[in-house]
Amino acid sequence: ETGVTQTPRHLVMGMTNKKSLKCEQHLGHNAMYWYKQSAKKPLELMFVYNFKEQTENNSVPSRFSPECPNSSHLFLHLHTLQPEDSALYLCASSRGTTDTQYFGPGTRLTVL
Amino acid sequence: AQTVTQSQPEMSVQEAETVTLSCTYDTSESDYYLFWYKQPPSRQMILVIRQEAYKQQNATENRFSVNFQKAAKSFSLKISDSQLGDAAMYFCAYLSPYSGGGADGLTFGKGTHLIIQP
Repeated sequence: ETGVTQTPRHLVMGMTNKKSLKCEQHLGHNAMYWYKQSAKKPLELMFVYNFKEQTENNSVPSRFSPECPNSSHLFLHLHTLQPEDSALYLCASSRGTTDTQYFGPGTRLTVL
Repeated sequence: AQTVTQSQPEMSVQEAETVTLSCTYDTSESDYYLFWYKQPPSRQMILVIRQEAYKQQNATENRFSVNFQKAAKSFSLKISDSQLGDAAMYFCAYLSPYSGGGADGLTFGKGTHLIIQP
């Protein structure tokens, strides 16, 4: 599947910057997800949106703010991040929340 | 909460040989879904295979097959006729259909790095 795109692919930001990650799916899916992949750790679910409504927030710090304006687009707004937030951020979508999730290529984030 | 364990951080196999990657999970649920995903150096997470817990028949996709042992909570992936393009990180993942209000998303293991020797 190549139906999930993410921009930018790479991002370097300072701790005081504000930036946004964008995810778009072209699969007609209703659910979208943000995952964080850090070195030496399993992928961690951050946010789940189902029909544009947030259904899960796994105790993610408030410096990460998601936005889902429609079922095809998902954003992750970043502000005052910490160096430990450096990771690969993966977006995924699925038709329903028990259907197979398809992933985008990820955004490699480095926080200086 | 569910947990997924992949006990092999790294595996190596000769090209054209068969390799089996292990995965165990812990859950109190009777119905759920299991997945194997592949992540090559490009970092794109690619679905390899999906298994529904209520199905006794093991899922297969071309050279990829699983051995699903529900009672033992084991879900191994067998790759036959290994090819150089199979080199990647392989992740086992669990999905519950029961999470209130929607889903907890996928619970992943730490992954197994598969090396293909030419």
